[in-house]
Amino acid sequence: KAGVTQTPRYLIKTRGQQVTLSCSPISGHRSVSWYQQTPGQGLQFLFEYFSETQRNKGNFPGRFSGRQFSNSRSEMNVSTLELGDSALYLCASSLGQVWGSPLHFGNGTRLTVT
Amino acid sequence: AQTVTQSQPEMSVQEAETVTLSCTYDTSENNYYLFWYKQPPSRQMILVIRQEAYKQQNATENRFSVNFQKAAKSFSLKISDSQLGDTAMYFCAFVTGGGADGLTFGKGTHLIIQP
Repeated sequence: KAGVTQTPRYLIKTRGQQVTLSCSPISGHRSVSWYQQTPGQGLQFLFEYFSETQRNKGNFPGRFSGRQFSNSRSEMNVSTLELGDSALYLCASSLGQVWGSPLHFGNGTRLTVT
Repeated sequence: AQTVTQSQPEMSVQEAETVTLSCTYDTSENNYYLFWYKQPPSRQMILVIRQEAYKQQNATENRFSVNFQKAAKSFSLKISDSQLGDTAMYFCAFVTGGGADGLTFGKGTHLIIQP
């Protein structure tokens, strides 16, 4: 089975712009979660989608949003970028029916905001 | 607040040695799952081992095993016969309450296996 695929691998954006990151989960997985990884804050939970609905949400401002499509692919959008949004964004998928299922992560998208 | 503490920012051992990474966590929940993830330079987080809090028996996966002490809220990872490919960042994490807050991660331990 193919793993979790995230595109693009690298992005450079300017402050004030918006960005969309994409994630294709493992085939059959219906849950997709997003995490932000920075040297200062470490790994932080952004949100989780299951069957096209946002099921859980972390403590991030409304500039961070996401969605999930009927094929379970997910996108994450960040509007009005700030320098502090520079981070590695990780997507993870799981079967999702049972909480506590292990997450399978992608290679991440490295976002740099200048 | 739920927290995970990994007190060893970096560790270095020789190949074939055994190494133990420490992790303590804090939660008021009684039902939760604990994980160790490995992140090599490729950036992909790879699941190493998973433990269900209501199970007394410590989880094992080949060379990897845990020492789960629920009362002490401790969840250490032991790597036996360490290999060069084990060099990576190791993150301890847990999830509670139906997953509403996602995984809570520690800051990580950078493990270096020396030849």
